[in-house]
Order: sequence, then C-alpha cells, then structure tokens
Amino acid sequence: DAGITQSPRHKVTETGTPVTLRCHQTENHRYMYWYRQDPGHGLRLIHYSYGVKDTDKGEVSDGYSVSRSKTEDFLLTLESATSSQTSVYFCAIREDGNYYEQYFGPGTRLTVT
Amino acid sequence: ILNVEQSPQSLHVQEGDSTNFTCSFPSSNFYALHWYRWETAKSPEALFVMTLNGDEKKKGRISATLNTKEGYSYLYIKGSQPEDSATYLCAFMRKAAGNKLTFGGGTRVLVKP
Repeated sequence: DAGITQSPRHKVTETGTPVTLRCHQTENHRYMYWYRQDPGHGLRLIHYSYGVKDTDKGEVSDGYSVSRSKTEDFLLTLESATSSQTSVYFCAIREDGNYYEQYFGPGTRLTVT
Repeated sequence: ILNVEQSPQSLHVQEGDSTNFTCSFPSSNFYALHWYRWETAKSPEALFVMTLNGDEKKKGRISATLNTKEGYSYLYIKGSQPEDSATYLCAFMRKAAGNKLTFGGGTRVLVKP
C-alpha cells in the first residue's frame, strides 16, 4: 500500500461543467501521475508532476489541466467536461530507485452525460 | 507517439495449462520494461521491472523474459489458476524519458476452472 487515495471515487457530471479530481499521497513521493483507462488502450498518461508546481504533459493532455501546490496533492481538472472524457482515472506515484516502478491509486470513475 | 503492442488482446486458458503472451516495443533508446497485473475492480500492481537484454524474472508461477535488441518481452504463466485471471499490462520506458511510461493495451487472461 503506497498510501494513495483518490477522491471522489465515482462522479457523474454534465457536459460543460468543470470537474476536479484529487490524488493524495502520504509518503512524500516526488513524482505523481494521472492516467486514463479506456477499453483497448491500456493506460494513457494525461499529465505528470515532478515536484511542487512542476508539471508536464502526457500523451492525452488536451482538455485537462493539473496543479500541485503541495507535495501530497495532485489535482486533475477538466475545465469543461465532454462525453469523450468519460473514463476511469488513475493516479500513480513513482518511488525513487527500482527503475521507477509505479504504484496506483484506487481509481475514479467519471461519467459525463 | 511510442508504439507498445501486446498480443493477443485476450485469451482463455484452461486451469492447469500454461500460457504466454507478448509485448513489443521500440528497440531503440530502451531503458526499462515494466509488467503490471490488473485484476478487475482493482488497481494495477507491478510484477516486474526489466532492464537488461536477456533478463529473466520470476514471481511464483509467473515469469518474464526480455529481448531489447528485437524489442519484445514474453510473460509466461505456468499451470494457470483461476486467480491468475487478470489483465496484464506492459509499459515501456525510454532513455531520457525516465519519468514516463508508455503502456500497451494489455492482454486479458481468463482462466477457466
């Protein structure tokens, strides 16, 4: 257990509304990631962070923004949710060493209607 | 965009049988190859991190091999059990991009009693 929690765990929202998902870790890891999981695509990286206020884009970053004002929290925001953003979102942390093995949170299921 | 392919997408295995499946990845700029096990309604869990050509890793009845020159890795399950039913993901890490993983689409394994 890498001490990762995600909130909310489930959310239904309407198209056009803003949504923020939270990832919280308790072990002070520097690197945090947001992925989305869709059938046939495995996990795709949205954004990641390598420290407070340091973030970078992944392969599917359009329509998403992130913020990291504290080491323990990494927020993912959908500024104006669309139906194509219906997905399961996983947060992950990377431990130092071990060739960057990642540990995943429990996931957030987001439905945009 | 890096191409990480897994085949087959799914397979059914009779309990007690052995099976294997493939992950292919770019053979240039290799840094590491990860395997994750992902049970339904849970989070992905790291199985192996492989870094050297010819690497072989083993955990119980599951083992993996790595060929970085030709860009593939095999995952083997010996004497499959129902609890081995899961999606197995591989993820490629490129040199100079050690912060990011590119995942394949996964192989979904169903072990039938």
